[in-house]
This record gives sequence, C-alpha cells and structure tokens, in this order.
Amino acid sequence: QKEVEQNSGPLSVPEGAIASLNCTYSDRGSQSFFWYRQYSGKSPELIMFIYSNGDKEDGRFTAQLNKASQYVSLLIRDSQPSDSATYLCAVLSGNTPLVFGKGTRLSVIA
Amino acid sequence: DAMVIQNPRYQVTQFGKPVTLSCSQTLNHNVMYWYQQKSSQAPKLLFHYYDKDFNNEADTPDNFQSRRPNTSFCFLDIRSPGLGDAAMYLCATSRDTGRPAGEQFFGPGTRLTVL
Repeated sequence: QKEVEQNSGPLSVPEGAIASLNCTYSDRGSQSFFWYRQYSGKSPELIMFIYSNGDKEDGRFTAQLNKASQYVSLLIRDSQPSDSATYLCAVLSGNTPLVFGKGTRLSVIA
Repeated sequence: DAMVIQNPRYQVTQFGKPVTLSCSQTLNHNVMYWYQQKSSQAPKLLFHYYDKDFNNEADTPDNFQSRRPNTSFCFLDIRSPGLGDAAMYLCATSRDTGRPAGEQFFGPGTRLTVL
C-alpha cells in the first residue's frame, strides 16, 4: 500500500512569515510529486510539481525534494491570509494513479 | 475558458434512492477521474477512464458505477446510497500519453447529502 503522510496541522504562521509544509512517502520508486491547494469547501488546485532532487521555485512558492529521504516539502514565503487553506501532497509512482496525503491545514494570522 | 463542470453542485437524496452525478469537460483530456472526499480526508480515487478504458479501484464498492459515453462526459451512479456515502464527489481530468498523470484539473465538486 503506497502511503503519503502529512501532518494534519493546523499550522499557524503570522502574516509575512515562511510557512513550511512537509510530506513523506513510502514508495521509493515514486517519480513525481505534486502540491495541491484546497480552500475550505472547494476542490483541489495544482500549485506546484517537482520531479528532480533539489529545489524548484515559482513566485512565493518553493518545492523541495529529497528522494533519498523520501521527503518533499513546500515553502511559502511572505505568507498571506489568502494562503490559508489545506495543502495536499500527492505522489505519482509508475503506472498507478496519483496518491494523495490527507493534507496540512495552514492558517496565516494577520 | 476551458474547464471541468460538475452538476449538480449540491445533491440531496434519500437512503437507498439512486443518484447520478455528472461531469463534463471542455479541456479535451483523455483521462477522467472520480474521487470521493470526506471531511479532513484525502481524496479517495473511485475509478478512472483512460479514453474508454475503465479502471476500477480495488476497494471501490459495487454500489458505485460509472459511465463515459464520450470524451467530454462522465457520470457517477450510486445505486443505493447509504449514510456513509455522504461526501464531496470530485471529478478531475488530465491529459496523458499512456498512463495516469499527476497534473489533474478538478471540477468544483458535488456535495452529496444522504437523508
């Protein structure tokens, strides 16, 4: 059973701070990693994906991947109240569908 | 704008009364997915279509069926809803060249209530 683990939170950060969201996965053969944002009562929306070890930056968001440690993270710089949402980590392995974690609820306090 | 549309947005049904949820897409993606999501839980994949090729997850109850009459439309049929089937049902699509992909586009979801 392929598993994706996330701390459910809530993770509370003050406005302007860096939010750090973490995710571990069980399948060492996993190839692609995705971060989805889900506002309360809404559907998930893809914000970033990463395939290679290291960092990938897109605006205020940075995804970090360490395949040896089976660990992927999402950093949100200059956090805003509008970033308050649940962040779902998702992992793709081989020819099987995407596996989602339960998500981490982020609360940015103004 | 190209998008994924789900109807209805809210569905109330009675215990045991069949219900059909619909999904349409203008993205022309060849893969379509149905997920069930309960509060504070991960989206749970029920099944997916790669074109007309239907793929059922092993733990999807027989109570759940799906149809994809063409590229644009996909339906989720719940034959005899139970109280435990109350959830948000999410339709998603992806374009793909031969296998499920991680970049998925979700519809707004249908919130199902079972009385």
